[in-house]
Amino acid sequence: GDSVTQMEGPVTLSEEACLTINCTYTATGYPSLFWYVQYPGEGLQLLLKATKADDKGSNKGFEATYRKETTSFHLEKGSVQVSDSAVYFCALSPDSSYKLIFGSGTRLLVRP
Amino acid sequence: KAGVTQTPRYLIKTRGQQVTLSCSPISGHRSVSWYQQTPGQGLQFLFEYFSETQRNKGNFPGRFSGRQFSNSRSEMNVSTLELGDSALYLCASSLGQQNSPLHFGNGTRLTVT
Repeated sequence: GDSVTQMEGPVTLSEEACLTINCTYTATGYPSLFWYVQYPGEGLQLLLKATKADDKGSNKGFEATYRKETTSFHLEKGSVQVSDSAVYFCALSPDSSYKLIFGSGTRLLVRP
Repeated sequence: KAGVTQTPRYLIKTRGQQVTLSCSPISGHRSVSWYQQTPGQGLQFLFEYFSETQRNKGNFPGRFSGRQFSNSRSEMNVSTLELGDSALYLCASSLGQQNSPLHFGNGTRLTVT
């Protein structure tokens, strides 16, 4: 079945460091891909999305490119801030579906 | 614009009891989805409703059920609670079209003792 695999956390970085969180997926057809972020005590917020191959989603300095050839959707940011500390979830929405399949989440801790 | 509202925020129940969780979507959103979040299993899809009809269902036992009302508000019910049902239950609303972004509530934390 469809699935999402994320790198294990936690990821600990110093402020202004570069971030990459790896995400790969398995799916039939043409899924849409998403990154969600969860801050402590809150629900998930959509960070960015891409709906077809080679699309690049971007928001708040974060970027991810839908790579069909490598079935990947890695999250990147050039310079992280303390306020970026949160749990990041990669997710896919299967073709013709109204549900999301989530990865296990990656906790990011940014130190001042 | 008010966000997705889930009530209550916290619940403590005993094994064997049943529980009802409530979700009020963002105004204008006709789709409501429910997810279970646990440390072991992560985020798992329960079901999705659109205009009072269930469109998708996840792989959960029949003890988990839901419904949606004409005003798009939704409830989720879990009967005969088990210890393993302890989790954060998240509700999300959307416009209901393919790839519409989901807007999540802050969840209901259910503890079963």
